[in-house]
Amino acid sequence: AQSVTQPDIHITVSEGASLELRCNYSYGATPYLFWYVQSPGQGLQLLLKYFSGDTLVQGIKGFEAEFKRSQSSFNLRKPSVHWSDAAEYFCAVGARLTGGGNKLTFGTGTQLKVEL
Amino acid sequence: DTAVSQTPKYLVTQMGNDKSIKCEQNLGHDTMYWYKQDSKKFLKIMFSYNNKELIINETVPNRFSPKSPDKAHLNLHINSLELGDSAVYFCASSQAFGVAGFQETQYFGPGTRLLVL
Repeated sequence: AQSVTQPDIHITVSEGASLELRCNYSYGATPYLFWYVQSPGQGLQLLLKYFSGDTLVQGIKGFEAEFKRSQSSFNLRKPSVHWSDAAEYFCAVGARLTGGGNKLTFGTGTQLKVEL
Repeated sequence: DTAVSQTPKYLVTQMGNDKSIKCEQNLGHDTMYWYKQDSKKFLKIMFSYNNKELIINETVPNRFSPKSPDKAHLNLHINSLELGDSAVYFCASSQAFGVAGFQETQYFGPGTRLLVL
């Protein structure tokens, strides 16, 4: 069964500082990996995704993530955090279903606070 | 244009009532999903429908019944609401089949915040 671990429940960074959010996954085959962001009171927005190829993927809002198979990790990074980045961040692993669609398994999320 | 929309956005109701949440997507997707996000922000899949056919049915009380009138809509009906049903419910959609990456990418609605008193 697939699973995702986000070891950091809360992270606080100063505006302008760099950010790294950790994600470890467990999956038997080639993983499909995602980062979603949830702003307060809002839905989930897809930041970026990895399927194959280049292990460094670029996303929206200046975020990037690096897939490391040897470490079963897919950490999210941003070189300079803005106050508007304060939100809940979810890592997820997906598995396609033969009946159609896919099954996403989410981590427990990391809440990011940005100090001005 | 909202890709995945849900109504209502907020729902406050009494224990024992029956309520429905509606979801519509205009992305042309064949597969739709319902998720529950609990008070600790944990997201868990409840149901998945592919072209009106049930694909995933996780361990959910049978008080919850999804209904898909067509592939663009997936509604969630909840009978005999309980305090523990208070949560945020998200609808999502994806392609049913496709090249790697496209079948696996889900797009989420804004959520429906349900409070049972």
